[in-house]
Amino acid sequence: QKEVEQDPGPLSVPEGAIVSLNCTYSNSAFQYFMWYRQYSRKGPELLMYTYSSGNKEDGRFTAQVDKSSKYISLFIRDSQPSDSATYLCAMSGVTGGGNKLTFGTGTQLKVEL
Amino acid sequence: SAVISQKPSRDICQRGTSLTIQCQVDSQVTMMFWYRQQPGQSLTLIATANQGSEATYESGFVIDKFPISRPNLTFSTLTVSNMSPEDSSIYLCSVETGGRSYNEQFFGPGTRLTVL
Repeated sequence: QKEVEQDPGPLSVPEGAIVSLNCTYSNSAFQYFMWYRQYSRKGPELLMYTYSSGNKEDGRFTAQVDKSSKYISLFIRDSQPSDSATYLCAMSGVTGGGNKLTFGTGTQLKVEL
Repeated sequence: SAVISQKPSRDICQRGTSLTIQCQVDSQVTMMFWYRQQPGQSLTLIATANQGSEATYESGFVIDKFPISRPNLTFSTLTVSNMSPEDSSIYLCSVETGGRSYNEQFFGPGTRLTVL
């Protein structure tokens, strides 16, 4: 079993839809949870970061962490064609200082006009 | 944040040859990493590039296959040695900026390698 599971998609939605992206994990030591966005032929860029359980909102994006269920989500409201990308969840167990990020496989999202 | 460049952006290589990938950062950083991204698979950490000492490799990756240099705080190279088609992948370097309480890593654009 992989430490982090993520549905690879592809996920296709109409413009304006609410998108829900999810990851599950097995390692209870994970405390830091991140979402990266990766456009085609580009490196991943950090989109959202959450520490422990709870919600975090940034514009159209909301990240949720439920540590009791080992489940994290990213919601995108009013999705736009420019949101079309691969979304990677990532997690780590300790604070800064170069500790290892464990990534999901990524979910490919396409937002259609 | 940090701006990271990689060279080459892509290459097509013959089996048995080696390729060195360069990673340049626009500011001094303590932590630099090399990842591999294969189609349909997770970003996988190859090693942590340590300045002034040998790189720290993850399980399944060895120095003979992926030698790494880190001569200073803004530059690193990864060599993919004695390549086979299984090494076809995207190779990414990343850096962790200091002074934060979490592992925010910035990634370069990647090097797309095809081995024939």
